[in-house]
Parts: sequence; C-alpha cells; structure tokens
Amino acid sequence: DAKTTQPTSMDCAEGRAANLPCNHSTISGNEYVYWYRQIHSQGPQYIIHGLKNNETNEMASLIITEDRKSSTLILPHATLRDTAVYYCIVRVGGNQFYFGTGTSLTVIP
Amino acid sequence: NAGVTQTPKFQVLKTGQSMTLQCAQDMNHEYMSWYRQDPGMGLRLIHYSVGAGITDQGEVPNGYNVSRSTTEDFPLRLLSAAPSQTSVYFCASRAGASYEQYFGPGTRLTVT
Repeated sequence: DAKTTQPTSMDCAEGRAANLPCNHSTISGNEYVYWYRQIHSQGPQYIIHGLKNNETNEMASLIITEDRKSSTLILPHATLRDTAVYYCIVRVGGNQFYFGTGTSLTVIP
Repeated sequence: NAGVTQTPKFQVLKTGQSMTLQCAQDMNHEYMSWYRQDPGMGLRLIHYSVGAGITDQGEVPNGYNVSRSTTEDFPLRLLSAAPSQTSVYFCASRAGASYEQYFGPGTRLTVT
C-alpha cells in the first residue's frame, strides 16, 4: 500500500507555474507532508512542509486539501534549474520517512 | 559550515569484501540517517540514529551495521558486500526540532 502516489513525469514551460500533485490518502492526522527535490544525482534538497494550512516560502507554495488526502506543490515561475525529481514525503514512524519514486519534472525552454 | 560530508565519492568492491562508508556533519544535529537509492527508485532508509550511542533499523537494514560514538560521525559498515548492495548511498542529518533534513553528496558503490 503506497504511502504516497505521484505522477511519474511532467513537463512545464519555462516561466509558467509548475503544479505537482501528490496523493497521501493514508496520512495520519498529525503528520506533516514534506517536499524535497533531487537535481541530477545530488543529495535531495528540502523545499517545504505543511500540516493542514497552505504554506509558502521563497522556493514554492504548498496547497493541502481540507481532507489532507492530497497536496500540490507549486513552483510559481519555473526555470530550467527547477528540472529535477520532486518527492512528496510522509513520515511513517519515528525518524522514518517514505520517499516513493517521485515526479520527474522537465522545464522546457 | 561544510554541512554533511561523505567519503568516498566512488567505490568498487568485490563480493565478500567489507568496507565503511563515512559520514560527518558539523551542524551539531541529533538525527542522522543512511539511505540507499537504486536506479529509478526513491530513497530507502537503512539505519538511523537519534543521538550519540543510539541507533535503530530502517526499512532495509540487512547487511549493514552502524554505530554513533560522536554527534558528528555516523559510519555505515558493509559486512560482506553483495552485488545487491550496488547503489548510491546518502547520509542525512537534521536537528531534533527541525523538519528539514540535510543530505550529503552521496557515495556511489558498485559490487562486482
């Protein structure tokens, strides 16, 4: 039973908003949703996290549905440097985080 | 701050050999973790530590040992390397009160 489900791949035109969806229907009521990205084969990089309110930082916005079963990461103005694999992550207990296979985002010039 | 450092960057082992992957962080983080990433897959947790002297198993611990004698260092030992352990290994750390994990650059291990 997958902890998170994401599209395998997505394209986005440079300068447009990239909307990356994630399904996490089995998330516990007090668990956060985290988003990381991995550029090429580098170590993953933290983007944002949220519980039930929408969140925004300098990198992205996170929209979480009211039932908390899904969320969307929004990169407001995608650039070529945003081409990466994006992981929607939930904690599955203690210090254990489920990464899944992520969405490979390609930003097209 | 150097952040999280890992050595070596690349390693080739023969089946049955043992080795230690090194991980160090200079941010005084309590939590440290080891992940492996196989081609086309996400990261899977091997072992983690919530502080010096305390370690626990993750999702895929078999064939690996860890210890945490200091806050800064968290080495991962392969006891008897197998081809199935060919992977990229990432070390991560985070402060106890933080949700943000900091990842090292990875060690690419090939077992022949």
